[in-house]
Amino acid sequence: GENVEQHPSTLSVQEGDSAVIKCTYSDSASNYFPWYKQELGKGPQLIIDIRSNVGEKKDQRIAVTLNKTAKHFSLHITETQPEDSAVYFCAAGVNTGNQFYFGTGTSLTVIP
Amino acid sequence: DAGVIQSPRHEVTEMGQEVTLRCKPISGHNSLFWYRQTMMRGLELLIYFNNNVPIDDSGMPEDRFSAKMPNASFSTLKIQPSEPRDSAVYFCASRLAGLSDTQYFGPGTRLTVL
Repeated sequence: GENVEQHPSTLSVQEGDSAVIKCTYSDSASNYFPWYKQELGKGPQLIIDIRSNVGEKKDQRIAVTLNKTAKHFSLHITETQPEDSAVYFCAAGVNTGNQFYFGTGTSLTVIP
Repeated sequence: DAGVIQSPRHEVTEMGQEVTLRCKPISGHNSLFWYRQTMMRGLELLIYFNNNVPIDDSGMPEDRFSAKMPNASFSTLKIQPSEPRDSAVYFCASRLAGLSDTQYFGPGTRLTVL
């Protein structure tokens, strides 16, 4: 099955700086890569996703890049704000299937 | 839309007791997922349903765990008997398979087994 690894497990940045979280996957059949944000006491919420036919996708301060050859994808948050503090999860799956494989999460702290 | 609804939000029980967690998916969604989240193991998929039919329950840890989806708007996850190692946050998620890849998560049920 798919194996998703995520780094770093914790990340602290100053407000206004950028944050980068990286994930690798093992199954070349995976073609859908969502990123979820989980705030304390809440369920994970989708913030951005990318499909394997696209190398990069951006939504305001959030961007995701995908390198299919190397089997890795990254989340980039620019101009970080305190409300960006949360746990972020990457996931990989096949969009015609149902199962996502989640990374172990990155706890991001934005220091005001 | 109210989103995915889970109840109870918190459950504290004693070892050996039966626990039932409930989920109402987003109206119109046809896939439903049960996840367990712990510090040690992260987010684990326990079971998922398509059109109320269980498709893959290979993530269910033991026979003590069972899940049902009697109709498109309700699912239960039951643990009988419960054990302290079952303590975790249990999430339900739903998806409109065929039109969207996105899974929408509920707020979770925090289960503590004493």
